[in-house]
Amino acid sequence: DAGVIQSPRHEVTEMGQEVTLRCKPISGHDYLFWYRQTMMRGLELLIYFNNNVPIDDSGMPEDRFSAKMPNASFSTLKIQPSEPRDSAVYFCASSSWDSLEVHFGPGTRLTVT
Amino acid sequence: AQSVSQHNHHVILSEAASLELGCNYSYGGTVNLFWYVQYPGQHLQLLLKYFSGDPLVKGIKGFEAEFIKSKFSFNLRKPSVQWSDTAEYFCAVRRALNSGAGSYQLTFGKGTKLSVIP
Repeated sequence: DAGVIQSPRHEVTEMGQEVTLRCKPISGHDYLFWYRQTMMRGLELLIYFNNNVPIDDSGMPEDRFSAKMPNASFSTLKIQPSEPRDSAVYFCASSSWDSLEVHFGPGTRLTVT
Repeated sequence: AQSVSQHNHHVILSEAASLELGCNYSYGGTVNLFWYVQYPGQHLQLLLKYFSGDPLVKGIKGFEAEFIKSKFSFNLRKPSVQWSDTAEYFCAVRRALNSGAGSYQLTFGKGTKLSVIP
């Protein structure tokens, strides 16, 4: 099992550009989570999906952020336009309905200059 | 909504010292509790979890945690730390699986950085 896969691992972009982060959950997992980690705010849940359907997006900071899950094996988190305050590590995680364990991906370190 | 408090932002210990990291949560119902560890530059890994039964839970690498329901606490302990334990530790809480909608949402504390001096 390859675990949760995220790409890219590092992204450096200029303010105003569109950024797309990608995630492949563990096969068979039906829950997918996007978290953001910053020094100031710690780990924050942005959005989570169940069976590809967004369940709770109340953590998405603003309309510049959007997330999709077109199928069970792929999700994207898009920021358009990006701003320097979006700089953070973005983690994707997945879990199955009968498991108590959430598995995290390696994260994408985003730097917006 | 549930919340998690970790009392210490940064703990510095010498090797072989004992460790206790505090974690308190606020939620009146049944919860599942977790400790995750994040080594420098790496992703979060599960150290241990509690969902029912014996309130003293043993995890990997010699860590254990005790759930005290009356205190809403789930403190992490290790009798003798090693330099390789240097990492950030996160406590997390989730409503128990039978609690209805939103049960799969993990809420994290802000983390405690542990630095172990050789």
